[in-house]
Amino acid sequence: EVQLVESGGDLVQPGGSLRLSCAASGFTFGNSHMHWVRQAPGKGLESVSAISSSGGNTWYSNSVKGRFTISRDNSKNTLYLQMGSVRVEDTALYYCAREIKGDYDLWGQGTLVTVSS
Amino acid sequence: DVVMTQSPLFLPVTLGQPASISCRSSQGLVFSDGNIYLNWFQQRPGQSPRRLIYKISERDSGVPDRFSGSGSGTDFTLKISRVEAEDVGTYYCMQGSQWPWTFGQGTKVQIK
Repeated sequence: EVQLVESGGDLVQPGGSLRLSCAASGFTFGNSHMHWVRQAPGKGLESVSAISSSGGNTWYSNSVKGRFTISRDNSKNTLYLQMGSVRVEDTALYYCAREIKGDYDLWGQGTLVTVSS
Repeated sequence: DVVMTQSPLFLPVTLGQPASISCRSSQGLVFSDGNIYLNWFQQRPGQSPRRLIYKISERDSGVPDRFSGSGSGTDFTLKISRVEAEDVGTYYCMQGSQWPWTFGQGTKVQIK
């Protein structure tokens, strides 16, 4: 089955760190650009970060640049998001999504990150 | 960043009646390959987003033909020809032509 399964979401204090993972299965992960998209509670969708299929190129939104790091391990079919210096406004459901040229054609179920003291 | 503006933000509809959602981009969305990556997603309550339409008007596999997309330039539209109960949810337009990819605010569709 073609799917993405996120994990690692948790309650974290402001200023803390957290690493999210996204396990891919059912397709050739190493051929796909991958993204992280988040959704704050009751709010809309925001593209956060992207990484090329090889991992050689990465992109970040201004809201997370310098604090978050996207990476991947194609041998493990896994995408990561290292979150640092987290803020209350980073509280959201974090989805990983597969890119298909300018679009997302596959989404995970999301993992919840709550930033609170 | 490209700003995507949807209207209306709330859309009460009668079963069997048509519905239309507008999406306007703050700038043109033509990518370097000549395509316009304007997409529509449906998010049912408690679920992940699901792609409905890509490149303005291409319907994803398995999407009912009552959904259609159109538009050009900076104005785009998602239409539902006859709303069914399963169409309840929030609909987002999204541009994938320029990083960061950006979404509209979402239009919540509910049955009257």
